[in-house]
Amino acid sequence: KAGVTQTPRYLIKTRGQQVTLSCSPISGHRSVSWYQQTPGQGLQFLFEYFSETQRNKGNFPGRFSGRQFSNSRSEMNVSTLELGDSALYLCASSLFGPQETQYFGPGTRLLVL
Amino acid sequence: SQQGEEDPQALSIQEGENATMNCSYKTSINNLQWYRQNSGRGLVHLILIRSNEREKHSGRLRVTLDTSKKSSSLLITASRAADTASYFCATDYSTLTFGKGTMLLVSP
Repeated sequence: KAGVTQTPRYLIKTRGQQVTLSCSPISGHRSVSWYQQTPGQGLQFLFEYFSETQRNKGNFPGRFSGRQFSNSRSEMNVSTLELGDSALYLCASSLFGPQETQYFGPGTRLLVL
Repeated sequence: SQQGEEDPQALSIQEGENATMNCSYKTSINNLQWYRQNSGRGLVHLILIRSNEREKHSGRLRVTLDTSKKSSSLLITASRAADTASYFCATDYSTLTFGKGTMLLVSP
């Protein structure tokens, strides 16, 4: 089986712009979770989608949003980028959710200038 | 906020030695998982231990769980240079919540 893929792998944006990141889960996996990783805050949960529905959301401002499509692929969007949004964004997939093994993608490294 | 907290923050050992990392958490859990991350890449799942289990082995890895103390430990035996990575515990209270990790450096 192919692993979790994330595109793009690297991204440079400027403050005020918006960005869309994509995640393709392992075939058959219906749960996709997103995390933000920074040196200061570590791994922070953003949101989890299951069968196109957002099941959980972390403590992030409304500028962070996401969605999941019928083929389980997921996108997350960050609008009005701030310098502090510079981070590694990781997505993870599993069959049913966080109570089982999560399979992570390689991440998208976002730099906001 | 972090549910799990790893200790120590950093650990430096020689090849062949054992490495022990600890994790403490705050709330009830269903399962506790350990992950490894190599230098800013994606996380790799190592082991999952359920709340009704006390110990689990996988190759050179041994994980213990003490739900009364809300703590877990990861032991890597006979460490290799390739074990150099950051190790995270994760608890699944409602979502999967990670600690800040232990950076392990194994020197040849």
